[in-house]
Amino acid sequence: AQTVTQSQPEMSVQEAETVTLSCTYDTSESNYYLFWYKQPPSRQMILVIRQEAYKQQNATENRFSVNFQKAAKSFSLKISDSQLGDTAMYFCAFMRGGATNKLIFGTGTLLAVQP
Amino acid sequence: DTEVTQTPKHLVMGMTNKKSLKCEQHMGHRAMYWYKQKAKKPPELMFVYSYEKLSINESVPSRFSPECPNSSLLNLHLHALQPEDSALYLCASSQDTQINYGYTFGSGTRLTVV
Repeated sequence: AQTVTQSQPEMSVQEAETVTLSCTYDTSESNYYLFWYKQPPSRQMILVIRQEAYKQQNATENRFSVNFQKAAKSFSLKISDSQLGDTAMYFCAFMRGGATNKLIFGTGTLLAVQP
Repeated sequence: DTEVTQTPKHLVMGMTNKKSLKCEQHMGHRAMYWYKQKAKKPPELMFVYSYEKLSINESVPSRFSPECPNSSLLNLHLHALQPEDSALYLCASSQDTQINYGYTFGSGTRLTVV
């Protein structure tokens, strides 16, 4: 069975600074995908970034980037130039490749961006 | 249209009531999902529909009954719920279950069982 672990229940960062959220996962699969989702107080889960396990290059989306260490089974999210609107719960998620995929979420990290 | 729309946004129901949650998407997605999320916890998968057929039921109690009338619509029928069923119910969709671009989520229905 796959598991996803987020060891930081809460984090705080000053506006305009950089913060890194940690995620580790456990799987015996070779074909899988990793995601970071953001859930602000509005409740909607929003996809932040996606990484295919077979790609060595780290994914980036504007101010968001990941550090994907496949051998260590680590998938951290870096947020640069933090903004107040980044305040949210962040979930790391795993999806096995192939048919009938399902997202397995970590326990989440509550990020507060301070003005 | 790149949204998943869920109605109602809030629902309060008694333990003897019957109610339904509705989820709609017009992105041409052929996989749809129901998740349950308790406060400060990650979402937990309940059901997966693929091409309007139920493909996964994560051992959900029969008081929750999903229905997929067409490729754009997903319902969750509720009957004889318990107070512990109070939670945020999230609907999501994806192109299909074999394409791993991730899900598009709705904003959820906040359900309170009294």
